[in-house]
Amino acid sequence: EVQLLESGGGVVKPGGSLRLSCAASGFIVKNYNMIWVRQAPGKGLEWVSSIRSSSTYIYNADSVKGRFTISRDNAKNSLHLQMNSLRAEDTAVYYCARVDPHYSGSGSFLDYWGQGTLVTVSS
Amino acid sequence: QSVLTQPPSVSGAPGQRVTISCTGSSSNIGAGYDVHWYQQLPGTAPKLLIYGNTNRPSGVPDRFSGSKSGTSASLAITGLQAEDEADYYCQSYDTSLSWVFGGGTKLTVL
Repeated sequence: EVQLLESGGGVVKPGGSLRLSCAASGFIVKNYNMIWVRQAPGKGLEWVSSIRSSSTYIYNADSVKGRFTISRDNAKNSLHLQMNSLRAEDTAVYYCARVDPHYSGSGSFLDYWGQGTLVTVSS
Repeated sequence: QSVLTQPPSVSGAPGQRVTISCTGSSSNIGAGYDVHWYQQLPGTAPKLLIYGNTNRPSGVPDRFSGSKSGTSASLAITGLQAEDEADYYCQSYDTSLSWVFGGGTKLTVL
């Protein structure tokens, strides 16, 4: 059974750092494209960062460029998001999600999501 | 401001039909990228509802259907049930190499 379990959220002061982790089971993370999506309190979904299975291609939303870094730990079968220079507007639940690997159409979708981890940036 | 535009809310009585629109532009839906829909029940993670504009994953009732035309897409729910009360999001891809979502639509079953 495919499962994703995020951890690492918490309360941090503006300008601080946090590292989120997403432990995967039921599949091998390095073989899949993966992404981070966030949801601010009472708001919609926002793509944050994505990494292709090759790890060669990494894409970040403009709102986090230069501050957030997505990575993979193949030995631990996990995905990470290093978040630096945090701002109040980064406060959100952060979800990791798997990109469906079999879709033959144009632009894929997210077939499995974790339960999310809450990041609160506040002084 | 979300890249894809959805109505903030829709409502309907049990048994009725509702539709949720998702409007994009020539750089995402209009560029030929497919549209996918997710359902988010209160306090839970989003769950895939429709993929590839019109396809339902196994386990999703056929009361849910999707369509796409030009720069827009729609989700239709027929035979509304109380358990359908949730937030619904459309998602596509953009020529800027970014994943794009709608702002979400809250469905209230009256």
